[in-house]
Amino acid sequence: GQSLEQPSEVTAVEGAIVQINCTYQTSGFYGLSWYQQHDGGAPTFLSYNALDGLEETGRFSSFLSRSDSYGYLLLQELQMKDSASYFCAVRKAAGNKLTFGGGTRVLVKP
Amino acid sequence: DTEVTQTPKHLVMGMTNKKSLKCEQHMGHRAMYWYKQKAKKPPELMFVYSYEKLSINESVPSRFSPECPNSSLLNLHLHALQPEDSALYLCASSQAGGTGGIYEQFFGPGTRLTVL
Repeated sequence: GQSLEQPSEVTAVEGAIVQINCTYQTSGFYGLSWYQQHDGGAPTFLSYNALDGLEETGRFSSFLSRSDSYGYLLLQELQMKDSASYFCAVRKAAGNKLTFGGGTRVLVKP
Repeated sequence: DTEVTQTPKHLVMGMTNKKSLKCEQHMGHRAMYWYKQKAKKPPELMFVYSYEKLSINESVPSRFSPECPNSSLLNLHLHALQPEDSALYLCASSQAGGTGGIYEQFFGPGTRLTVL
């Protein structure tokens, strides 16, 4: 089987930095993805890490350590529009399949 | 065109009805997916089509029947559903196969299904 763990909720103020951790247990790991989903909306892709290290895309960065089965999403200079749910998802070796973590609800306050 | 479209946006059906959800993409993606999402839960994979062939069925009840008529279209046929099947049904597409590069799934806006 496989499992992904991430915190259920994080609250922060505008301009702050938030780190969402994701630990996973799975066989045949290919990569770790992050998706953002606003209430009533569809998941949208943020990042994908297949190799160890940090990937930076604007205010968002994602990190992966394959040896620790751990990754995180870093949200910098938080804005009100960043209030959403953030899901980590594991891509496995067998086929095109993503398994999502339970999601972290981020609430940004003024 | 980097959009996945789904119709209808909302659907209310009785337990004896037969209905279909439709999904379309024109990004040349050869992998297409159906997910089910309940409120405040993550998307749960139902089916994966790769090159128009069903490659993954996550033990979904037979009252859900997927169909991939061509590389751009994906349908989900619904029959004799239960109230607990009420959820947001998301379609997604991606490049098929390969392990190099960025792996991104593009999601449609979903169909919000209510079963009475």
